Amino acid sequence: DGGITQSPKYLFRKEGQNVTLSCEQNLNHDAMYWYRQDPGQGLRLIYYSQIVNDFQKGDIAEGYSVSREKKESFPLTVTSAQKNPTAFYLCASKARDRVYNEQFFGPGTRLTVL
Amino acid sequence: AQSVTQLGSHVSVSEGALVLLRCNYSSSVPPYLFWYVQYPNQGLQLLLKYTTGATLVKGINGFEAEFKKSETSFHLTKPSAHMSDAAEYFCAVSGSNFGNEKLTFGTGTRLTIIP
Repeated sequence: DGGITQSPKYLFRKEGQNVTLSCEQNLNHDAMYWYRQDPGQGLRLIYYSQIVNDFQKGDIAEGYSVSREKKESFPLTVTSAQKNPTAFYLCASKARDRVYNEQFFGPGTRLTVL
Repeated sequence: AQSVTQLGSHVSVSEGALVLLRCNYSSSVPPYLFWYVQYPNQGLQLLLKYTTGATLVKGINGFEAEFKKSETSFHLTKPSAHMSDAAEYFCAVSGSNFGNEKLTFGTGTRLTIIP
């Protein structure tokens, strides 16, 4: 079955540590996205990538980094520079053949900073 | 620039009653509009989308939404609520041209169903 996988589902980090969240898709989608979700704030875009080896900052990129070396994978690193990293992180992907295609979402990773 | 406003962060309805979740958008280009549903600790699932053509859009689980350009609205409705509809619902808008296709989400509406 095609879909998006995110791992781990739950992640705990000590302050000052970098941590990487995994996102893999087998939908053959070109575009991939990372969102952060906080209660009452909806989803906010962190980074997105429309093709391999290219990515753009979203609305809240500070303290995060990404790479896009393969079409299937778009890992997100939460660095120690992110002041308040505890949140639910969602990865999404989208086919680019039509501009109105919807984004497909993974199950999410809940990150807690101890 | 695009934005979405969802009126009511929490909505409660009785089982069997009408569900109405409100969404108003702002967009400088003709919009594409989406409704997603999220169950606790899960990702988002597409309910329905408006692209072009018919302004009344039918989605999964008996939901539908009507695009009203004059009111810049895309409200979500379901004639009869079911207990399984309890979830959080997000309205989103994207632009109609490549390069302007990021999704902008509303802050969500949590729907509670009263038995």
